[in-house]
Amino acid sequence: GAGVSQTPSNKVTEKGKYVELRCDPISGHTALYWYRQSLGQGPEFLIYFQGTGAADDSGLPNDRFFAVRPEGSVSTLKIQRTERGDSAVYLCASSPTSGGAIYTQYFGPGTRLTVL
Amino acid sequence: DAKTTQPPSMDCAEGRAANLPCNHSTISGNEYVYWYRQIHSQGPQYIIHGLKNNETNEMASLIITEDRKSSTLILPHATLRDTAVYYCIVRVPGSSNTGKLIFGQGTTLQVKP
Repeated sequence: GAGVSQTPSNKVTEKGKYVELRCDPISGHTALYWYRQSLGQGPEFLIYFQGTGAADDSGLPNDRFFAVRPEGSVSTLKIQRTERGDSAVYLCASSPTSGGAIYTQYFGPGTRLTVL
Repeated sequence: DAKTTQPPSMDCAEGRAANLPCNHSTISGNEYVYWYRQIHSQGPQYIIHGLKNNETNEMASLIITEDRKSSTLILPHATLRDTAVYYCIVRVPGSSNTGKLIFGQGTTLQVKP
């Protein structure tokens, strides 16, 4: 079946601009996660959704970062006033909360964000 | 979540078994061991997980020591496509916590022809 998809695959923006990154989880997965991966590092947790609500946003670095999941499926990560330090690969993962693969996270290919 | 320790890099000859170790000496009784890998420029890929019994699937085998303080991921016949960074993660799955994965540096496995 279809996996997690993320758009765009690459995004280049200028410092100070606003960007939106989209994640389409696997159909039926109620849990959704955003991670950020800097060059040479492992992914770092940003935020977790259970359904429509953000159950844990402790990884968001500051208030320029915000994420929504209004209908409990697609999620959008929003970054305001981008800074060069925001440049990274932004990964999305989803997981089921019932069934045989319960709580196993499946990742999308990521969006590579470059802030000039 | 417990911390894990992995060697930064390993080499393996194509066709041979790749054995990737992981130490998790502070693992608690309800924490599972998960393995993911990340091939260059792709998102992490789930491989396998286990609690205390050895596990096998179509990708790999997971051997967990009896005291659960360490584990080994085994790729029985490594191919060039198995070249990747392998992450060992311990966590408690379930709705009682966020289930977020805490990634370390992982082991870079280089499979050589």
